[in-house]
This record gives sequence, structure tokens and C-alpha cells, in this order.
Amino acid sequence: GDSVTQMEGPVTLSEEAFLTINCTYTATGYPSLFWYVQYPGEGLQLLLKATKADDKGSNKGFEATYRKETTSFHLEKGSVQVSDSAVYFCALSPFDAGNMLTFGGGTRLMVKP
Amino acid sequence: GAVVSQHPSRVICKSGTSVKIECRSLDFQATTMFWYRQFPKKSLMLMATSNEGSKATYEQGVEKDKFLINHASLTLSTLTVTSAHPEDSSFYICSAPRQGANQPQHFGDGTRLSIL
Repeated sequence: GDSVTQMEGPVTLSEEAFLTINCTYTATGYPSLFWYVQYPGEGLQLLLKATKADDKGSNKGFEATYRKETTSFHLEKGSVQVSDSAVYFCALSPFDAGNMLTFGGGTRLMVKP
Repeated sequence: GAVVSQHPSRVICKSGTSVKIECRSLDFQATTMFWYRQFPKKSLMLMATSNEGSKATYEQGVEKDKFLINHASLTLSTLTVTSAHPEDSSFYICSAPRQGANQPQHFGDGTRLSIL
């Protein structure tokens, strides 16, 4: 079946540091890929998405590129802020964004001032 | 603002109690909703797909009789944890996609269920 693997956390960075959270997936066909963010005590929010190979999703300074050749969707941000501290989940949907999601294990990011 | 409302946000109750969690789409109709369970410091696991007007589709290993799902209207799905026990304590999250191709899912804020 489909699966998503992302780097384990926690990831601890200083403010303005560069962030990379790795995500790789296994799926048949052409899944859609997502990054969701969960702030403390809140539900999940969609951060960005990409629906086909070589698409780049971006939002709030975060970026991720759908790499079919490496089955990856790594999340990056050039300069993190304390407010970015949260848990980040990589996910895929086999058909389109409106279908069930398979999540990675989540990566907790802690940004220190 | 929120487009999917989940209620209650937190429940603490005694073992043996049945608990109902509601998931509402606020400004759109959702023929399908999804229920996930999140264990502490773990990822979200899909429990079931709630289908308006028909039976829910449960993932392997999820007990249908323990987790009753009803999707009686286009804006409301309920998850009832029947005769809850401490091992049912978890964070339950619903999501609903807007209708149409490639529409994103909107998540509720989740329900933290604690069974004493």
C-alpha cells in the first residue's frame, strides 16, 4: 500500500536558520502530495501541495517540489521564525486532494530565538 | 475562519461511557468525510470514510461496532466511541473535502478523548 516516510524529529533550529524536512513516498500511479502543519493544540492546516511531477508548492516562505524520480517532496524554508514551531506532516492522496490521506509520522520543529 | 467544526474539543469521561463527536462542514456540503486517529507523538491514521446516506467504509483493524459512524446529512458526520475504555483515549480528527476535482480537505480542530 501507499506509505510516507519523513525524518524523525524533533528538529531544533535557531531563528533565521535554513530548514529542510525530508519526505519520501511509495505509491502507485500519480499521487498528489501535501505538507500539513499542526500548531500546538490545534488541528491540521494545509501548508502547501503539489499535484504532479515537478510542481512546486509554496506558502508562507515554505517550498516543496514534487520529485517523481526520487519519490520525494522535501519541505524547505530559507529563514525560520519562532512562530514556525509546530509539527509538520507530509501526506499523499492517491487520486486528488479530496480523497483520503496517508500521513508520514510527523516532524516536530522547534525554533529558538 | 474555520470551515469544518468539530465538537467537543475535549472529553474526559469514565470507562464504559459512549462518546459522540460531531464534525460539521460550515459553508459547503460534504458527501464524504474522513475520521482520523492520532496517538501521542504519532501520525494520523485513517479510521474510516464517512459517506452521506450510506454505510461508512472502515480501514482494516478498526472495529465497526466500537466506532460507529453516521453521516445523516450533507454537513454532519458523527463518530460515536461506544463503551469507551482507556485504550480508546486519543486525539480524533475529522476532515472534509469540498466537492469538485482536486479540492483540498479541511480539518476540524480535533477532539481529545480521555477515558479514565
